[in-house]
Amino acid sequence: EAQVTQNPRYLITVTGKKLTVTCSQNMNHEYMSWYRQDPGLGLRQIYYSMNVEVTDKGDVPEGYKVSRKEKRNFPLILESPSPNQTSLYFCASYQKGWPTEAFFGQGTRLTVV
Amino acid sequence: AQSVAQPEDQVNVAEGNPLTVKCTYSVSGNPYLFWYVQYPNRGLQFLLKYITGDNLVKGSYGFEAEFNKSQTSFHLKKPSALVSDSALYFCAVRDMIWDNFNKFYFGSGTKLNVKP
Repeated sequence: EAQVTQNPRYLITVTGKKLTVTCSQNMNHEYMSWYRQDPGLGLRQIYYSMNVEVTDKGDVPEGYKVSRKEKRNFPLILESPSPNQTSLYFCASYQKGWPTEAFFGQGTRLTVV
Repeated sequence: AQSVAQPEDQVNVAEGNPLTVKCTYSVSGNPYLFWYVQYPNRGLQFLLKYITGDNLVKGSYGFEAEFNKSQTSFHLKKPSALVSDSALYFCAVRDMIWDNFNKFYFGSGTKLNVKP
């Protein structure tokens, strides 16, 4: 089954404690992307990757890091989380070329206290 | 700049009535438009897309959308709403211009409430 898998689904952490949210896709997609969803703001792109070792900032990259060492994985790293990063996070993957749809993970609800 | 607007935060409709969720867009090149649905505690699920061709696009769960180039709109419709259609709906445009080859732009979402 084609899918994007995120872990964990729920996470509560304290300010300043480094964390990683994992994302993996099994569709051999070139593009992967991270979004955060906040009420009234829709989905905002954090980082995206066009292929292995190729990443770029999205609209709200501050406070986040990513890496793309393998095509299937695209982890999101918060080196020093702050309460304003409390949000619902989604990973997505999509195919290069023809304008196909994006496939989304189930989401990670992060709370930073 | 590419953008998507969903002018209604919430749409209320009675079960069995037709529903419309509005979306307008702004793109520099060809518009590649998508609708997604998000149920509580779930990820976004693809409903339908417009790439080219017929302006009326049919998708999953009986939904359809009408592309209108002159009004730069891509409204989501369903002839007869179900209570189970209650969810958050997102309109999106995929930017295929070379410099932004990879980006999706999403609207702010519209919450659809279908009452029995």
